[in-house]
Amino acid sequence: GESVGLHLPTLSVQEGDNSIINCAYSNSASDYFIWYKQESGKGPQFIIDIRSNMDKRQGQRVTVLLNKTVKHLSLQIAATQPGDSAVYFCPGATGGSYIPTFGRGTSLIVHP
Amino acid sequence: NAGVTQTPKFQVLKTGQSMTLQCAQDMNHNSMYWYRQDPGMGLRLIYYSASEGTTDKGEVPNGYNVSRLNKREFSLRLESAAPSQTSVYFCASSVRLESRGGYTFGSGTRLTVV
Repeated sequence: GESVGLHLPTLSVQEGDNSIINCAYSNSASDYFIWYKQESGKGPQFIIDIRSNMDKRQGQRVTVLLNKTVKHLSLQIAATQPGDSAVYFCPGATGGSYIPTFGRGTSLIVHP
Repeated sequence: NAGVTQTPKFQVLKTGQSMTLQCAQDMNHNSMYWYRQDPGMGLRLIYYSASEGTTDKGEVPNGYNVSRLNKREFSLRLESAAPSQTSVYFCASSVRLESRGGYTFGSGTRLTVV
């Protein structure tokens, strides 16, 4: 099965800085990745996705980079704001039936 | 507001009691899921329903049962609650099992078993 992990359980940044949250995956057959954000007391919320035929995808203030060679992806948040404080997950998926497998997530703490 | 609605939001049970967690979605999604989230453990899949009329076990199904009542509703039942089932439970839905558009999650039910 899919195994996803995050390099750091907690990331602390100052408001206005850029944040980079990393994620590693073990299944080389994974072809689709989604980043979720979970704020305190709420369910996870879809942020951005990327397919394995892409290296980069940009959204509003967020960019996801995929390096298939080393099975690594990252979520970059520009000009981090206090509202970005949350736990971030990067469940992977393999072609066919897609049921996300969530790791522990990375807790992003933004200091004012 | 469109989305996934879970009830109740909070519940305290005594060991051995039973209860049903309710989940309803109004997005016409075919697939629905139940996850539990424990501190430091991420989300673990309990059961899922690919479409109305079907249910399948996930990673941690023991101690739970589910019912896909109709396309909108997917309930999770604890027949005899145990302290190990203290957790936050999330229901989610997607267009279909192979959905590449992501999941929509409810706001969760915080369950404490004493």
